[in-house]
Amino acid sequence: QKEVEQNSGPLSVPEGAIASLNCTYSDRGSQSFFWYRQYSGKSPELIMFIYSNGDKEDGRFTAQLNKASQYVSLLIRDSQPSDSATYLCASDPLNTDKLIFGTGTRLQVFP
Amino acid sequence: NAGVTQTPKFRILKIGQSMTLQCTQDMNHNYMYWYRQDPGMGLKLIYYSVGAGITDKGEVPNGYNVSRSTTEDFPLRLELAAPSQTSVYFCASSTTGGTEAFFGQGTRLTVV
Repeated sequence: QKEVEQNSGPLSVPEGAIASLNCTYSDRGSQSFFWYRQYSGKSPELIMFIYSNGDKEDGRFTAQLNKASQYVSLLIRDSQPSDSATYLCASDPLNTDKLIFGTGTRLQVFP
Repeated sequence: NAGVTQTPKFRILKIGQSMTLQCTQDMNHNYMYWYRQDPGMGLKLIYYSVGAGITDKGEVPNGYNVSRSTTEDFPLRLELAAPSQTSVYFCASSTTGGTEAFFGQGTRLTVV
């Protein structure tokens, strides 16, 4: 079982819609969860991080964490074509210093 | 503030050759990471370091070596390059574990 799993997509949503990106993790002891955005040919950049159960909002982005279900999600409201990118979920397994990434979900926002 | 700098940006190697990918950061971060990213895939951790003199294997360490003699530098060595090592390599750093990682621009390596 992979430590961090994501659906590779592509996830296609119309402009203005809500995009929902999902991630599951296997290590119940993981403490920190990150969402990175990666445009084609570029480096990943941090969008959101979340440490506690519940929701965390930042502008159009909301991260959701459910530790009981080992599930992390990222909601993007009012999706724009400029949001089209690959979104990578990452976590740090318990008692390691690693930062492990999922395979990423490609999001396409069409006008 | 340069952040994380990787050199070179592009490189073509012949099978069996060796090379070192350079990574340096000026943020005084303790943690540094090397990842590879194959086309359409996520990032796979090769090696990481929590401070000068301390390194450890990640998910895919075979065929690579690292050293960390200073806080700033974390070079990745490829010995006896193979076509399977064709990939984009990213170096990243963070203050500690569980904090934001900052990435370099990447090195696109082709082994022919």
